[in-house]
Amino acid sequence: DQQVKQNSPSLSVQEGRISILNCDYTNSMFDYFLWYKKYPAEGPTFLISISSIKDKNEDGRFTVFLNKSAKHLSLHIVPSQPGDSAVYFCAASYNDMRFGAGTRLTVKP
Amino acid sequence: GAGVSQSPRYKVAKRGQDVALRCDPISGHVSLFWYQQALGQGPEFLTYFQNEAQLDKSGLPSDRFFAERPEGSVSTLKIQRTQQEDSAVYLCASSSLDRGSNSPLHFGNGTRLTVT
Repeated sequence: DQQVKQNSPSLSVQEGRISILNCDYTNSMFDYFLWYKKYPAEGPTFLISISSIKDKNEDGRFTVFLNKSAKHLSLHIVPSQPGDSAVYFCAASYNDMRFGAGTRLTVKP
Repeated sequence: GAGVSQSPRYKVAKRGQDVALRCDPISGHVSLFWYQQALGQGPEFLTYFQNEAQLDKSGLPSDRFFAERPEGSVSTLKIQRTQQEDSAVYLCASSSLDRGSNSPLHFGNGTRLTVT
C-alpha cells in the first residue's frame, strides 16, 4: 500500500526559477515528514524536515510546507541551481519511515 | 569514516547463490534499518534493530532474508537462494535515536545486487 505518493516522476525547471515538488500521504498517524535528495550511485541524503505541529520550515533556499488537512506537503527550492538536479524523495514517519517513489528534478542552466 | 558504510558496493550473484551484505553504521547510533530499493521506486522498509535487538522484521519479503547485528554495531543482511526478483539496491540507515523519534535517518550508499 502506497502510503506516501509522489505523483510527478520528473520535473524540469530553468536555473534561477522556483522548483516545487509535491507529496501526498494517506496515513493520518504520520507526525514527521522529511525530504531526501539522492544523486546517482549514492544513498539518500537528508535535506529538510517538518514536524506535524508546524506548517512551514525554512532552511536557506529550501522550504517545506505541510497541509495536514489535505495530507499534502511540498518542497520549494528558490532559486533553483543546476547542482540541485537529483532525485528527491518525500518521507513520512510515526514509527516506520515510509518513502515516496521520488521525483527527478532537472535544473537547466 | 563519519558516515554509514556499506560493502560491497556491487554484487552479482547467480540465481540460487547466497549473499551477505554488510553495513557499518555511524559510531554510537542505536538504531539501524535495512531498506530495499527497486528500480524507479522509493526505499521499502525491511527490518529494524535497536542496538543488537531486532525489533521489527515485518518488511522482510521471505524467509530467505535474515539480518543480524550481534554486537549492536555492524549488521549483515543475508539472502539465501537468491532469486531474480531480489535484484535491487539494499540501503542501510542509522540514527542516534530510537525509531519513532523525530530524527532523520542517515543512509549509506547502498549495495546494488544483481541476480542473473
